[in-house]
Amino acid sequence: AQSVAQPEDQVNVAEGNPLTVKCTYSVSGNPYLFWYVQYPNRGLQFLLKYITGDNLVKGSYGFEAEFNKSQTSFHLKKPSALVSDSALYFCAVRDMRHGNNRLAFGKGNQVVVIP
Amino acid sequence: DGGITQSPKYLFRKEGQNVTLSCEQNLNHDAMYWYRQDPGQGLRLIYYSQIVNDFQKGDIAEGYSVSREKKESFPLTVTSAQKNPTAFYLCASSMTGVNTEAFFGQGTRLTVV
Repeated sequence: AQSVAQPEDQVNVAEGNPLTVKCTYSVSGNPYLFWYVQYPNRGLQFLLKYITGDNLVKGSYGFEAEFNKSQTSFHLKKPSALVSDSALYFCAVRDMRHGNNRLAFGKGNQVVVIP
Repeated sequence: DGGITQSPKYLFRKEGQNVTLSCEQNLNHDAMYWYRQDPGQGLRLIYYSQIVNDFQKGDIAEGYSVSREKKESFPLTVTSAQKNPTAFYLCASSMTGVNTEAFFGQGTRLTVV
């Protein structure tokens, strides 16, 4: 099955420190991977995507993600976390099986940035 | 202003009633999706549609129904057959290419009273 896994429930980081949110994927064929952020009682906002090409993808709000084929990972990173980065983060993968076009999400990671 | 609009933001339903959640987009997207979000379970796909007058069941379609009569609109009906309907419902749309991201509405929080 096309799926992503986010192994940690919550990530705590001090303001100004590097932030990493982990995601591993399981796909047959080429992976099409996405990161989204969700603030309380709001919809999801797109951050970045990997389709092909450079393994380091840059996105919105200073976020970037590193695609690693050998480790089947697509970790989200930010060099210096802000308190306003506290939110729920979702990794997602395009599922193109059987001629369909679905977007499958991980369970999400709560990020808490401590002032 | 382009975007995707869900209404209402909050909805209360009595047990045994059907309710319909609205989702409208003016992004000219062919594909539309409905997800259900519960704490600790991420987003689960209810139904999706890749083109007008066509839709497919997602992973948790039981107790829900949809229609796609217009490109802009993809309403979701939560029927009385849905045993545990209290949740946050998210609608999304995208173009149909593999490299396209989805855009989300602000969500509808449904509570059964």
